[in-house]
Amino acid sequence: EDQVTQSPEALRLQEGESSSLNCSYTVSGLRGLFWYRQDPGKGPEFLFTLYSAGEEKEKERLKATLTKKESFLHITAPKPEDSATYLCAVQETGFGNEKLTFGTGTRLTIIP
Amino acid sequence: EAGVAQSPRYKIIEKRQSVAFWCNPISGHATLYWYQQILGQGPKLLIQFQNNGVVDDSQLPKDRFSAERLKGVDSTLKIQPAKLEDSAVYLCASSFDGSYLEQYFGPGTRLTVT
Repeated sequence: EDQVTQSPEALRLQEGESSSLNCSYTVSGLRGLFWYRQDPGKGPEFLFTLYSAGEEKEKERLKATLTKKESFLHITAPKPEDSATYLCAVQETGFGNEKLTFGTGTRLTIIP
Repeated sequence: EAGVAQSPRYKIIEKRQSVAFWCNPISGHATLYWYQQILGQGPKLLIQFQNNGVVDDSQLPKDRFSAERLKGVDSTLKIQPAKLEDSAVYLCASSFDGSYLEQYFGPGTRLTVT
């Protein structure tokens, strides 16, 4: 069975203090790895999709990277508005449009 | 562009009662998804519709959960009878063509079963 593990569960950073969130996965074949941001009381918001090891994508202060077993979401010089729960999800290869399997998320708090 | 609409936003019921949630997707989106997100967990897909047909309902507890999308637009998810473990946020999402790259989520309905 697919497994997606995110660490740490929660992370508190000072404003401007860079760090990384981890998403490790075990699937027989990876079609795509997705990162989402979820604010309290809202649904997840799509950030990135990565497809192959070595791929990187950036958006403002966020950069996502992918290896064969894990993905990292690097946050550089974060601001308080970056506080949210960050979810990763994997889509396994298959004959159809396979559903996403989500991790439990990392709750990020940026302290001014 | 209007987003995915859900109602109600909050619902409290007693166990063994029934409840229904409504979702209106983004206009023109053929694919509609219902997810269950238990506190501290990631969303879990319950059912996926393409227009008014079911694509995937493998994780829907069919003995108590049902969903319909009769006209291929809005959808209703029902739980009857509810159990304590059904307490969760129920998220609706939609996409134009079934692509997870263009999947937009609604704000969710928070269900508490007492």
